[in-house]
Amino acid sequence: GAVVSQHPSRVICKSGTSVKIECRSLDFQATTMFWYRQFPKQSLMLMATSNEGSKATYEQGVEKDKFLINHASLTLSTLTVTSAHPEDSSFYICSAIPPRNRETQYFGPGTRLLVL
Amino acid sequence: GEDVEQSLFLSVREGDSSVINCTYTDSSSTYLYWYKQEPGAGLQLLTYIFSNMDMKQDQRLTVLLNKKDKHLSLRIADTQTGDSAIYFCAETMRNSGYALNFGKGTSLLVTP
Repeated sequence: GAVVSQHPSRVICKSGTSVKIECRSLDFQATTMFWYRQFPKQSLMLMATSNEGSKATYEQGVEKDKFLINHASLTLSTLTVTSAHPEDSSFYICSAIPPRNRETQYFGPGTRLLVL
Repeated sequence: GEDVEQSLFLSVREGDSSVINCTYTDSSSTYLYWYKQEPGAGLQLLTYIFSNMDMKQDQRLTVLLNKKDKHLSLRIADTQTGDSAIYFCAETMRNSGYALNFGKGTSLLVTP
């Protein structure tokens, strides 16, 4: 099946620093990727839609200046958490949609962020 | 978005059938999904159903859709200990392309 990777899988950083998370579709080109956030024992909440070659679309309540998304190529989207704070600690999961089967969304393994 | 509702916990014995239920919110959702998440891992797509279908079977998995009641269920036949995980129901979000609105997940525990 389709594979989506994320890097890093885990990151610990100090409060005030910025962290970049990469999401790659390994065997298909994805014009659309999504970024979700999952708190412990909670559901996934959509943060933003990442569109290749254009600006991301953010969900209500998600600060676009804090969560910078760049979808510079058809296989890579990045999420940068700027000036991270402890409340940003969470599990960040990306997904990608293959061009021919848009109803099948494949998820990455997730990145666990801990901000101290 | 509005809540997709699932029961939080289900425990079954190995070899029995498991039925996980979900009530979704948007009658215009095109597709409905079941994902599996093991501890510390990402989501694995198990199966999905198009909204104009009422049943889909894939090996041990059977999905039933009642569009009138906005009710979706996942039946796992001959449940194994390796099926222990969290199962998420999801619907396509209105006006968000194929972005998904997830339930809180049902934690399935399979005991020997």
